[in-house]
Amino acid sequence: DTAVSQTPKYLVTQMGNDKSIKCEQNLGHDTMYWYKQDSKKFLKIMFSYNNKELIINETVPNRFSPKSPDKAHLNLHINSLELGDSAVYFCASSQEGQGVHQPQHFGDGTRLSIL
Amino acid sequence: GESVGLHLPTLSVQEGDNSIINCAYSNSASDYFIWYKQESGKGPQFIIDIRSNMDKRQGQRVTVLLNKTVKHLSLQIAATQPGDSAVYFCADDGSSNTGKLIFGQGTTLQVKP
Repeated sequence: DTAVSQTPKYLVTQMGNDKSIKCEQNLGHDTMYWYKQDSKKFLKIMFSYNNKELIINETVPNRFSPKSPDKAHLNLHINSLELGDSAVYFCASSQEGQGVHQPQHFGDGTRLSIL
Repeated sequence: GESVGLHLPTLSVQEGDNSIINCAYSNSASDYFIWYKQESGKGPQFIIDIRSNMDKRQGQRVTVLLNKTVKHLSLQIAATQPGDSAVYFCADDGSSNTGKLIFGQGTTLQVKP
């Protein structure tokens, strides 16, 4: 009964490959996010979707493409992986209706390692 | 630019003592503040939040204090336990209404038995 689940937990691949990370939430939230956490544990938002609509698109290379097939899923596809993409990627969700902030709930992360 | 930072990278406390983790933020228009706990190999776990119209909020063993005058946020943990050992992050909304959170760099809390 995991609230926010991501797959895979670990992803090891070579430079230049294309990979996807999947995220699903069963909390009924309307907003989902992707964050990147670097080796110094700094967390930075990448994207957010509200009811399948892109809301936040930070300064992220266009090799990163989020896709939200429905409000319970937000996947992250990364093309032409580079060494600097190595990090832990976290998915999160919240209920942001009417501009009132609510806590974001995080998955346990996907550790991406580029060889 | 906006930044949220923490005063100390590591805090070491004795089991049973109270812990205070501090955070400074830069955007005076920030409206929403939140604390997370992150254990090794896991995602950030929500602890407590507070809005700018409050200066204190209490949860179970935790209290968040907000001082808007000096743009300072703190998390107090009462009777710290070994299970409290983790990295603690503060974050704020940077006055955005999009749900965007700006995270600080984290404070590692070490609890000595």
